Amino acid sequence: GQQVMQIPQYQHVQEGEDFTTYCNSSTTLSNIQWYKQRPGGHPVFLIQLVKSGEVKKQKRLTFQFGEAKKNSSLHITATQTTDVGTYFCAGGAAGNKLTFGGGTRVLVKP
Amino acid sequence: DVKVTQSSRYLVKRTGEKVFLECVQDMDHENMFWYRQDPGLGLRLIYFSYDVKMKEKGDIPEGYSVSREKKERFSLILESASTNQTSMYLCASSSAANTGELFFGEGSRLTVL
Repeated sequence: GQQVMQIPQYQHVQEGEDFTTYCNSSTTLSNIQWYKQRPGGHPVFLIQLVKSGEVKKQKRLTFQFGEAKKNSSLHITATQTTDVGTYFCAGGAAGNKLTFGGGTRVLVKP
Repeated sequence: DVKVTQSSRYLVKRTGEKVFLECVQDMDHENMFWYRQDPGLGLRLIYFSYDVKMKEKGDIPEGYSVSREKKERFSLILESASTNQTSMYLCASSSAANTGELFFGEGSRLTVL
């Protein structure tokens, strides 16, 4: 079945630095979604990418969908303490099923 | 705002007990989902439903069943709980008309002793 892998599993970032988390699918995706889960909270939708090579920005967050629609990345610039949490990618395929990656847990050092 | 409500935040059950996890959404969403979340494994889909009375198996349905008698309510049932079902269970809903964005409940943390 479809598998979605995320790396790194953990990311320790100094406040103010940039970092990137990567998402790779074993199969071609119809779309990719990103979610953020704060500590003790539930996942909250951030964005969806649909087109090959698509790039979307939300303030300091930049999301990219690969040309082959099998990978995606989330880049955060000038990390803040409010960025703490776990970021999940979720790949969409036939039947509207989403397959989630294992998540990248982000810890920010002030 | 969309609200997805899960009946219990924390449950402790014994091996072999029957467990019901209830989920209610108030936005008239067609689609409802049950995931379990375990460290390092992300969210894994147990069952989902696109309509009342309909259900489809997700990636890890073994040991679980579901019920959707009303559009707003989706129940997850563990017929005979086992220790490997200790986990965080997340219910989600989405509209068939939008981008497929999932709205999650707060989660139910189940411990099976």
